[in-house]
Amino acid sequence: ETGVTQSPTHLIKTRGQQVTLRCSSQSGHNTVSWYQQALGQGPQFIFQYYREEENGRGNFPPRFSGLQFPNYSSELNVNALELDDSALYLCASSFGPLEEGLSDTQYFGPGTRLTVL
Amino acid sequence: DQQVKQNSPSLSVQEGRISILNCDYTNSMFDYFLWYKKYPAEGPTFLISISSIKDKNEDGRFTVFLNKSAKHLSLHIVPSQPGDSAVYFCAASAISNYQLIWGAGTKLIIKP
Repeated sequence: ETGVTQSPTHLIKTRGQQVTLRCSSQSGHNTVSWYQQALGQGPQFIFQYYREEENGRGNFPPRFSGLQFPNYSSELNVNALELDDSALYLCASSFGPLEEGLSDTQYFGPGTRLTVL
Repeated sequence: DQQVKQNSPSLSVQEGRISILNCDYTNSMFDYFLWYKKYPAEGPTFLISISSIKDKNEDGRFTVFLNKSAKHLSLHIVPSQPGDSAVYFCAASAISNYQLIWGAGTKLIIKP
């Protein structure tokens, strides 16, 4: 059974650029959630994708967007990068959407470390 | 406004002793609480959870206690082992909003 994988591991961008981060969910999982973890803080929920549609969003601006593909892998896109976007971006997959009480069955990937200069 | 607070950035405990990690929350609507463990270069992994209808939940060496009146929960690890050295996050959610609110984490160091 393959776990959650994320690419790339590290990324350096400059302010104003756009970035795409990728996540492959665990086999059999149909839901992917994305989190931003700034240095010294806990993860913050960005949004969740369930069966290729956004299904819940945290307090993040529209320049944070995503996609989920038929194989349930997912992308996180961030436009017009700002210095404060520097963080570890985590994706987590689960068997179903989090509102079904599956918060504790999320499986996290190792994250992508994004640095914005 | 931090709704979930872990006031100890780090904790050092002797191997074999009890480790107690604390977490406070401010939102009385939270009704489900979780602890995650994170090793460097890995994603968080679920450890143990507790519903607000309980005040204690055990799983092997790990026990979580919930004090609703004090809005406080704690994770007890007995006995502590070297492999327990990691960052521990507590997280909370409300039935009306499944999104997890996370604390900043406590780095636990188990000394041999």
